[in-house]
Amino acid sequence: GQQVQQSPASLVLQEGENAELQCNFSTSLNSMQWFYQRPGGSLVSLFYNPSGTKHSGRLTSTTVIKERRSSLHISSSQTTDSGTYLCALERSTGNYKYVFGAGTRLKVIA
Amino acid sequence: EAAVTQSPRSKVAVTGGKVTLSCHQTNNHDYMYWYRQDTGHGLRLIHYSYVADSTEKGDIPDGYKASRPSQENFSLILELASLSQTAVYFCASSDTLINTEVFFGKGTRLTVV
Repeated sequence: GQQVQQSPASLVLQEGENAELQCNFSTSLNSMQWFYQRPGGSLVSLFYNPSGTKHSGRLTSTTVIKERRSSLHISSSQTTDSGTYLCALERSTGNYKYVFGAGTRLKVIA
Repeated sequence: EAAVTQSPRSKVAVTGGKVTLSCHQTNNHDYMYWYRQDTGHGLRLIHYSYVADSTEKGDIPDGYKASRPSQENFSLILELASLSQTAVYFCASSDTLINTEVFFGKGTRLTVV
């Protein structure tokens, strides 16, 4: 089954609104990473977040390893935030690395 | 900043033909990966490598081969391209396997016709 569940699958915001994206894991993990994928397709790393809370500008990532979840908060959204947000889990078992969720497609309208 | 460069950035291939996607990293990382992404989906691991001249299978290795001739270079080879292999392919690298950030290339859009 799916090891990484992202919610919501899609989201439309009015510019200025906040958003909370969720990532839940069905397996134990060492760490996780949040990525932003531009409409053109390239991946940008937002946070490498093994645990706790990290901030970067209007973005905040919180990972709770024991509860197998992570969230990405976007405050005061802008149209340029539109795109797909992917979370990836680094498993604590097995011999290969990141497993990705299907992503949250965000559209911010002016 | 870590750098992973993929080539070509896009390619159209004929069914049954051979395709080679190349990846070069200047990060001095031991680990390199190939992922594929299908429209509207997350990324899935095809092959990875942790040392030159050695590759390992990921989640979806069927129909793909990989080659790691040096620490810096990692290729993905489709010996007999099929329509189902139309996708965007991403290469990535990391310093270690555990508790480390992964850096991605910009992707290669492959269309098999």
